[in-house]
Amino acid sequence: QSALTQPASVSGSPGQSITISCTGTSSDVGSYNLVSWYQQHPGKAPKLMIYEGSKRPSGVSNRFSGSKSGNTASLTISGLQAEDEADYYCCSYAGSSTLYVFGTGTKVTVL
Amino acid sequence: EVQLVESGGGLVQPGGSLRLSCAASGFTFSSYAMHWVRQAPGKGLEYVSAISSNGGSTYYANSVKGRFTISRDNSKNTLYLQMGSLRAEDMAVYYCARRVAAAGTRGGWFDPWGQGTLVTVSS
Repeated sequence: QSALTQPASVSGSPGQSITISCTGTSSDVGSYNLVSWYQQHPGKAPKLMIYEGSKRPSGVSNRFSGSKSGNTASLTISGLQAEDEADYYCCSYAGSSTLYVFGTGTKVTVL
Repeated sequence: EVQLVESGGGLVQPGGSLRLSCAASGFTFSSYAMHWVRQAPGKGLEYVSAISSNGGSTYYANSVKGRFTISRDNSKNTLYLQMGSLRAEDMAVYYCARRVAAAGTRGGWFDPWGQGTLVTVSS
């Protein structure tokens, strides 16, 4: 099972909006509404930001939103802030044979 | 507070063995499937292994199948990963994570994650 494809890096100025794509296949992203997104600051554990494609856990800013179209999921960060600078990973359920596949990761830089 | 704390990482020679532990607190451990995910230095996340809530079902990525064994002790609220025949490419930070899922669904998401434990494979 190949990793989901994400852009290596995305950048934006404070206050701007950015979108990170996560492209999979009809066996994972396209088949299940089970894409989750994780934020990881350097040296820290990943933190859940979005689950089931577009739902936000309690405590996560509403500046983070998720969506999906076909085999591609997206994470949008609006009103970009300095603390949003981190690595972001998508993850999709991929069925009982593979279980889960992660994205390649995207480094978000706040200019 | 829901918390996961890994331990057991360290330096091991190629071909050696190591057992990682993940102590859970703040939730009913026996009700959740648990997972291990690793991250090689400077690299992305890689899904490694999973175990069902009662320990009856396990899953391994092809990269570790036959070398790693996942287990759990629900009486001790602890998850384990026994790693054998370790290779240089197994060197990584190993995270345990709780799988959360909607009722009746097989798939889910990971929340929370432990802080990770570093496994270094080197002679």
